[in-house]
Amino acid sequence: ETGVTQTPRHLVMGMTNKKSLKCEQHLGHNAMYWYKQSAKKPLELMFVYSLEERVENNSVPSRFSPECPNSSHLFLHLHTLQPEDSALYLCASSPDRGYNSPLHFGNGTRLTVT
Amino acid sequence: AQSVTQLDSHVSVSEGTPVLLRCNYSSSYSPSLFWYVQHPNKGLQLLLKYTSAATLVKGINGFEAEFKKSETSFHLTKPSAHMSDAAEYLCVVSAGTGTASKLTFGTGTRLQVTL
Repeated sequence: ETGVTQTPRHLVMGMTNKKSLKCEQHLGHNAMYWYKQSAKKPLELMFVYSLEERVENNSVPSRFSPECPNSSHLFLHLHTLQPEDSALYLCASSPDRGYNSPLHFGNGTRLTVT
Repeated sequence: AQSVTQLDSHVSVSEGTPVLLRCNYSSSYSPSLFWYVQHPNKGLQLLLKYTSAATLVKGINGFEAEFKKSETSFHLTKPSAHMSDAAEYLCVVSAGTGTASKLTFGTGTRLQVTL
């Protein structure tokens, strides 16, 4: 149990589908993050939310749309994805965005786009 | 600007022998440094962190790391490897002030432990 729960664990979707990834944390953290992990590449930061406000968007294509309805929940809405979007999507949270606050990660959603 | 380099993509050790996973960093600020472990199909778990206190940091599962500013290194060690240590290990540097902090991840080192 990591304190950060992601669902679903695995997702297979076609390029025309719409799906959502869900992340939930009950650690009382104020910052939440979406990362993309592809084989043989460093983790790529996608979005950062701090106190429910999006504070960072790292040039992510618009086919990825985040939503943070409250400080405990984070969603990533997916539509018209491409095969190269297949990856492990990791959600993380931290107490704040201070540079010495470690991240707490969920177990990820393994996404396959066919 | 900052960067982190994990010098080995794969390390193989025998069970019971020492582990050394190497990490070098560069940063314009005084950094915080972290090591995470990732088992297959799992998220990242924090092993240990350095945040400008003691330079020798002890973490979970018998791992430790030493911050060496003169060498800009933060190598991860364990005296005796266990089969359960087989995983991916990521070194992370974080620097900046307040909400301008930025995390930079290394490309990872896969540790294999053999009998």
